[in-house]
Amino acid sequence: DTEVTQTPKHLVMGMTNKKSLKCEQHMGHRAMYWYKQKAKKPPELMFVYSYEKLSINESVPSRFSPECPNSSLLNLHLHALQPEDSALYLCASSQSAGGLATYEQYFGPGTRLTVT
Amino acid sequence: KNQVEQSPQSLIILEGKNCTLQCNYTVSPFSNLRWYKQDTGRGPVSLTIMTFSENTKSNGRYTATLDADTKQSSLHITASQLSDSASYICVSEGRYSSASKIIFGSGTRLSIRP
Repeated sequence: DTEVTQTPKHLVMGMTNKKSLKCEQHMGHRAMYWYKQKAKKPPELMFVYSYEKLSINESVPSRFSPECPNSSLLNLHLHALQPEDSALYLCASSQSAGGLATYEQYFGPGTRLTVT
Repeated sequence: KNQVEQSPQSLIILEGKNCTLQCNYTVSPFSNLRWYKQDTGRGPVSLTIMTFSENTKSNGRYTATLDADTKQSSLHITASQLSDSASYICVSEGRYSSASKIIFGSGTRLSIRP
């Protein structure tokens, strides 16, 4: 199973709402990633979790709060978002992160988020 | 400054033709270079990964090359099919002691016409 699943597929939320995006993988990967992708732009790295600990935060605003409850799950909690946060949010996983070895990243299908 | 630049920005070719996409990178210290295919509204799918010691790697009709001296990579698509229409993204990873830096190119939007 080389699949990364994301829910929901689409999400529309108001600027005062609180919502969460979920990501799951069962490949035994120990690194998980959140990316944000605007239309016709490449993905931008937001967070990296390695062995369930946050290892990289690319200066993401605090209205985005990641959580890694266990090695298979990754959440992104959203609160007080702005319309410019509307984008495709991609989750990815890899066997590991950092170190000398190179591991393939597997991406989920993404959650299309619209902030109204 | 770590950068990945791709060319052309967009490309239209006829079905059955070959094409080559280019990628220049300045990520340092260099660890690996990846090519992804991304269909509209979907997550990227890995095509190839190459470290500095690898010059070429193939995945079916996709062949990637890497010149670590000139910091250039190319992705060659042979006998294109309509399903090859997608964005192709070059990604370079720089490796530091405690983390890695992943830099995405802006992608090449490829359209295959029948």
